Amino acid sequence: ETGVTQSPTHLIKTRGQQVTLRCSSQSGHNTVSWYQQALGQGPQFIFQYYREEENGRGNFPPRFSGLQFPNYSSELNVNALELDDSALYLCASSWGLAGGPSYEQYFGPGTRLTVT
Amino acid sequence: AQKVTQAQTEISVVEKEDVTLDCVYETRDTTYYLFWYKQPPSGELVFLIRRNSFDEQNEISGRYSWNFQKSTSSFNFTITASQVVDSAVYFCALSGNYGQNFVFGPGTRLSVLP
Repeated sequence: ETGVTQSPTHLIKTRGQQVTLRCSSQSGHNTVSWYQQALGQGPQFIFQYYREEENGRGNFPPRFSGLQFPNYSSELNVNALELDDSALYLCASSWGLAGGPSYEQYFGPGTRLTVT
Repeated sequence: AQKVTQAQTEISVVEKEDVTLDCVYETRDTTYYLFWYKQPPSGELVFLIRRNSFDEQNEISGRYSWNFQKSTSSFNFTITASQVVDSAVYFCALSGNYGQNFVFGPGTRLSVLP
């Protein structure tokens, strides 16, 4: 069984640029959630994808967008990067039914994004 | 709105001591789920437990135990006979019935000293 993987591990971008982060979900999982974790804080929910459709969104602006592919892998795109976007971005996969109970999420190692 | 409070920012204990990490939550949902996660220095969040709002039984798993009290909206986590490897940041989290909108608490940094 393959765990959740994320790429790249680290990334440095300049303010105003765009970035794409990638996540491969754990085998058998159909749901992917993305979180932003600033230094010293708990993860903040960005959005969740269930079977290629957005299934919930946290309090993040539209310049944070995502995709889920037929193999349930996912991308997080951030446009017009700001200094405050510097954080650890975590992807988590789970198995769930839309409208059903929440199952435990399995997290990847994260992508550390630095915006200068 | 859902909210999770972990009032203890940092705790230090000496190895073999017992330690309890507090978690208080707020939600208007009648069905919800509570979680604990461990984040060691490597950064990867590790799932520890999930509990649904209808199951108030306490749970024990090895040196770990959890005390869920709906009346006080608390879901506390106790480590018995702590070990140095338990040193990490521990997060309590809350989710509604539909799985989205996981809300994490701010975390408690536990340091277990040899």
